[in-house]
Amino acid sequence: GENVEQHPSTLSVQEGDSAVIKCTYSDSASNYFPWYKQELGKRPQLIIDIRSNVGEKKDQRIAVTLNKTAKHFSLHITETQPEDSAVYFCAADYSNYQLIWGAGTKLIIKP
Amino acid sequence: DGGITQSPKYLFRKEGQNVTLSCEQNLNHDAMYWYRQDPGQGLRLIYYSQIVNDFQKGDIAEGYSVSREKKESFPLTVTSAQKNPTAFYLCASRRQGYEQFFGPGTRLTVL
Repeated sequence: GENVEQHPSTLSVQEGDSAVIKCTYSDSASNYFPWYKQELGKRPQLIIDIRSNVGEKKDQRIAVTLNKTAKHFSLHITETQPEDSAVYFCAADYSNYQLIWGAGTKLIIKP
Repeated sequence: DGGITQSPKYLFRKEGQNVTLSCEQNLNHDAMYWYRQDPGQGLRLIYYSQIVNDFQKGDIAEGYSVSREKKESFPLTVTSAQKNPTAFYLCASRRQGYEQFFGPGTRLTVL
């Protein structure tokens, strides 16, 4: 079946450093790739997304890159802050109505 | 004020009891979803519905049932056949090809 692999499962970085989370998808027809942030006890919320006709998208300290040939996409967070600590999920669109989810990355920002 | 609502926020179930979790959206989205999330884990799809009066099983449908009689509503029943239902349940809705919105979740505990 369709699959999204996400790495690493846990990432610990020093405050102010950059963090990178990577995802690989299996369905070459996927054309929408969102990233969600979930704080403890809360619902996941969209932080950034990218479509297959774009290679990179930025929003302040957050950026996403997409390599369609290799079927992988990455989330980049620069100048990390304590409030970036959360679990991050990537997803890939499957048949337009479904999102296939990665397993999540727990990001820990060390003071 | 548009969005997705879930009720109740907390729910307690006794052995052998069926319970129903409510999910309502006023975003005019065609597709709705139910996910289960165990502590420290990712999102597992229980059921989804693309249109009214139609729904499909997800990866972990056993012990659960749903209905979709109205576009705005997608209730989930946790039956007594689900032996380990303690988890955080998230409802979501989506417009085809776009962002998925999540409700605030229901935390179900078996007594």
